[in-house]
Amino acid sequence: AQKITQTQPGMFVQEKEAVTLDCTYDTSDQSYGLFWYKQPSSGEMIFLIYQGSYDEQNATEGRYSLNFQKARKSANLVISASQLGDSAMYFCAMRDPIYGGATNKLIFGTGTLLAVQP
Amino acid sequence: NAGVTQTPKFRVLKTGQSMTLLCAQDMNHEYMYWYRQDPGMGLRLIHYSVGEGTTAKGEVPDGYNVSRLKKQNFLLGLESAAPSQTSVYFCASSYGVPLEAFFGQGTRLTVV
Repeated sequence: AQKITQTQPGMFVQEKEAVTLDCTYDTSDQSYGLFWYKQPSSGEMIFLIYQGSYDEQNATEGRYSLNFQKARKSANLVISASQLGDSAMYFCAMRDPIYGGATNKLIFGTGTLLAVQP
Repeated sequence: NAGVTQTPKFRVLKTGQSMTLLCAQDMNHEYMYWYRQDPGMGLRLIHYSVGEGTTAKGEVPDGYNVSRLKKQNFLLGLESAAPSQTSVYFCASSYGVPLEAFFGQGTRLTVV
């Protein structure tokens, strides 16, 4: 069964430093997609970055990058040059499979609460 | 462009009452999802749909029913509300795989 694991309930980082949020996943499918979402205190879900299982290069979106290690089934989010506005809950998610198939579930981990300190 | 709209945004129910949460999207998305968010549990998938007229169970479907009679709408029903269903409910939609899902603003439901 598909599963997403985020082992860090909370993290602190100093402003302007980089931080890595961990995510591991479990799936038996060969094609899948990995996503990261941000949820600020206001509650909305904001899409940050996507990585497909067949993508050879790590995805990047501005200050966000996804450290994709397929053999280890990990998809860590790296935020460079942290800002106070990055303080939020971060969720890792997986869609399995991404091409064809009958399930197309989109499942989430339990989240990591990031606090950026000035 | 409204995106994904959930109604209502807040609701208080008494145990045993029923209600329907409505999710509407105007992006012609095929896939729609209902989640519940509880502290420490992340977002858990209740039910989802891969197209008009289809529904499927997610991780925590018990106590909920859904319908997707129209492509743009995905309804989540609680037939007999229980205090354990107190949660924040999110609807999401996606054009297809592997594109990202867009979320509604959430519905805060309290069952007393």
